[in-house]
Amino acid sequence: DAGVTQSPTHLIKTRGQQVTLRCSPKSGHDTVSWYQQALGQGPQFIFQYYEEEERQRGNFPDRFSGHQYPNYSSELNVNALLLGDSALYLCASSFWQGKETQYFGPGTRLLVL
Amino acid sequence: LAKTTQPISMDSYEGQEVNITCSHNNIATNDYITWYQQFPSQGPRFIIQGYKTKVTNEVASLFIPADRKSSTLSLPRVSLSDTAVYYCLTPGAGSYQLTFGKGTKLSVIP
Repeated sequence: DAGVTQSPTHLIKTRGQQVTLRCSPKSGHDTVSWYQQALGQGPQFIFQYYEEEERQRGNFPDRFSGHQYPNYSSELNVNALLLGDSALYLCASSFWQGKETQYFGPGTRLLVL
Repeated sequence: LAKTTQPISMDSYEGQEVNITCSHNNIATNDYITWYQQFPSQGPRFIIQGYKTKVTNEVASLFIPADRKSSTLSLPRVSLSDTAVYYCLTPGAGSYQLTFGKGTKLSVIP
């Protein structure tokens, strides 16, 4: 049983570019959440997708957008990249009818130069 | 607004039992207590979750007093591979987001 998978594992972009990160949830899960983790900090909630719609959003600008597909996989898009967007981006999946225990993927390390 | 308070760091020798206490004075009736473990450059790994009294699994035990204002994660006989950051969270039942603090950095010394 595959857990949460994310791609790519590492990415280097320059300021102003756009990036798309991908996530496949754990088998049986229908909800995907995205988090940003800066060095030395805990993960910060970006948004959550359920039934292909954004269900809740954290304190992130509109440059951060997402999408969920019918197979529950998800994408995180970041436009007009800033140096401060350099971080580990984590995807977590869960089953909404459970206790909302979220299972995390390995993350995508994004470096913006 | 931080919901939990836990020590920034702890050191322990291999083979010892480690107890990490988390304070959550404003925990709500429908909040659970959840602990995650995170190794460098990896995603957090769910360890244990409880609501009251004691919960035990193959990895750890979670002790929650009756007033639920604090909880203690107990790791029996730690090894070097337990060196990680441990996060205490109190997600509400049905809440969508997990709110992480800075966690407790546990260093296991040989």
